[in-house]
Amino acid sequence: DIQMTQSPSSLSASVGDRVTITCRASQSISTYLNWFQQEPGKAPKLLVYAASSLQSGVPSRFRGSGSETAFTLTISSLQPEDFATYYCQQSYITPWTFGQGTKVEIK
Amino acid sequence: QVQLVESGGGVVQPGRSLRLSCAASGFTLSSYGMHWVRQAPGKGLEWLAVVWHDGSDENYADSVKGRFTISRDTSKNTLYLQMNSLRVDDTAVYFCVRDERLSSGISWYTVLHYWGQGTLVTVSS
Repeated sequence: DIQMTQSPSSLSASVGDRVTITCRASQSISTYLNWFQQEPGKAPKLLVYAASSLQSGVPSRFRGSGSETAFTLTISSLQPEDFATYYCQQSYITPWTFGQGTKVEIK
Repeated sequence: QVQLVESGGGVVQPGRSLRLSCAASGFTLSSYGMHWVRQAPGKGLEWLAVVWHDGSDENYADSVKGRFTISRDTSKNTLYLQMNSLRVDDTAVYFCVRDERLSSGISWYTVLHYWGQGTLVTVSS
């Protein structure tokens, strides 16, 4: 199975900060990498697919990049509604796998 | 609009069985791949299983292979997850998810797109 490793596991940031989350795959997954945002008690929401394509309706402050084994999700200017947990997920091959999550908290 | 409503969760003893249902509306189940994803309390997301849109194949995570079975009833537009030999570490919220093919450049990608609200399964003696 492909292992997905996110870093950091959590971070504290202020509104307006630039935030970067890293995701590494245990083997090459091309650009079959997706990012999800999950607020407490809610289902996850797709933010970015194919490593860098922004899902319809997602604010442009979110940006995904990377390929093969190294990926990043960047939030250019953190907004109050962005405080949540973020997950990367590979859809290159089954079993699909998620990273362990990165919790973004208010500083 | 697309709606997925899970049901069937509850408290069950270790070793017993439970069947989850996911009633789909706003689309035809047989036109899309359907997945189950779970989340243990306070933990991350775990993909469990998929039945592909044409029903030709199913795939499972190693953690549930041989114990869980994904299926669908197209006449009822409902997805199921039959869970046997349940263990304490199967305790989680179980989400039903519909996939979607999205384009990026000249390629198409299948992604987890529409999620239900989840149903809680607690395995405890």
